[in-house]
Amino acid sequence: DAKTTQPNSMESNEEEPVHLPCNHSTISGTDYIHWYRQLPSQGPEYVIHGLTSNVNNRMASLAIAEDRKSSTLILHRATLRDAAVYYCILRDSAYSGAGSYQLTFGKGTKLSVIP
Amino acid sequence: GAVVSQHPSRVICKSGTSVKIECRSLDFQATTMFWYRQFPKQSLMLMATSNEGSKATYEQGVEKDKFLINHASLTLSTLTVTSAHPEDSSFYICSARDVRNNEKLFFGSGTQLSVL
Repeated sequence: DAKTTQPNSMESNEEEPVHLPCNHSTISGTDYIHWYRQLPSQGPEYVIHGLTSNVNNRMASLAIAEDRKSSTLILHRATLRDAAVYYCILRDSAYSGAGSYQLTFGKGTKLSVIP
Repeated sequence: GAVVSQHPSRVICKSGTSVKIECRSLDFQATTMFWYRQFPKQSLMLMATSNEGSKATYEQGVEKDKFLINHASLTLSTLTVTSAHPEDSSFYICSARDVRNNEKLFFGSGTQLSVL
């Protein structure tokens, strides 16, 4: 699996935008970029995913670099409930077997939100 | 939205006993479920892929006779930790793929297992 690199931790003030970076310089053309987050003592939660174009949903926006070697998860207004570990994960869509949908989690970025 | 229910949320057991953890997809059919384990301050580690009606596929280093996985229906997978020992104490998390939302995985809320 192509590897991703994220900062260990970041801080944000409440109600300010947060930009969480992810580097994936070895990404292949069939890799989807996924973001999940994990609140304390909870299972991970899907945030957003994309392939080439920027994506928006009610939770966040995903900005993908033109060369796809990096991406940024954007939380438009951080709240205290957004404090979590955010994982950037690549999934190769070239494989269609059931097991191909497994996700390999790295260490993620621990986001702290300051009131 | 799709929901995955995992029970129990917390279990304490004596060394040598077996513990069963259930993972249910509440409003969708899950032909594939995944089981993860997470130790404190570490990331999730995939243990096995559970396929409905067939044997689970275990990751390297995971003992299939110790961690029994059953996926007998499209909405239920179970993980049984047999003859549990203190080193099996961990946070166990299941996830399921909803074929209607191909790229999304939905996760249970996790089970904290403490073996005394």
